[in-house]
Amino acid sequence: AQSVTQLDSQVPVFEEAPVELRCNYSSSVSVYLFWYVQYPNQGLQLLLKYLSGSTLVKGINGFEAEFNKSQTSFHLRKPSVHISDTAEYFCAVIFNFGNEKLTFGTGTRLTIIP
Amino acid sequence: ETGVTQTPRHLVMGMTNKKSLKCEQHLGHNAMYWYKQSAKKPLELMFVYNFKEQTENNSVPSRFSPECPNSSHLFLHLHTLQPEDSALYLCASSQVGGSMNTEAFFGQGTRLTVV
Repeated sequence: AQSVTQLDSQVPVFEEAPVELRCNYSSSVSVYLFWYVQYPNQGLQLLLKYLSGSTLVKGINGFEAEFNKSQTSFHLRKPSVHISDTAEYFCAVIFNFGNEKLTFGTGTRLTIIP
Repeated sequence: ETGVTQTPRHLVMGMTNKKSLKCEQHLGHNAMYWYKQSAKKPLELMFVYNFKEQTENNSVPSRFSPECPNSSHLFLHLHTLQPEDSALYLCASSQVGGSMNTEAFFGQGTRLTVV
């Protein structure tokens, strides 16, 4: 079955420290990959996406992610976090092109410690 | 207005009430979606509409009834809901088909409380 796994439900990080949020998916075929962020009482906002090309993708707010096909991973990273990065982060995958249905992970709550 | 707009932002309803959630997208997309977001659970895709036709219904109870009168508007009609239906309901739109597919754009959601 096709699935998206975010193993860390909560990640506390000190302000200005680096962070990595993990995302793995199960599929043997090509996929599209996304990271969304959800601030309190808000909808989801796209951080970045990988469709093809360079495996290192840069997004908004200083975030980047690297697609690793052999490990079926798409981890999100930021070298120095800010208080305003406190939010829930969702990894999402399109497994079937032409369908464009997003399958979401369970989310990771990032808490920045002052 | 731009993007995806959902109204109302908050809704409290009794189990015998009938209410509707509204979603409007100003992006020219051809697909629209309803998602349910409950605490401690992954986002659940409820319904998908492509070109105004429903293409997916993920075993959603009949007390939820979607309507897509055109490619810019999507409704979710609610009746005789249960307390466990309390959640954040998110609408999204995207452009499907063709050589350049886009990501889904989300509205801010309707926080529904069933009492």
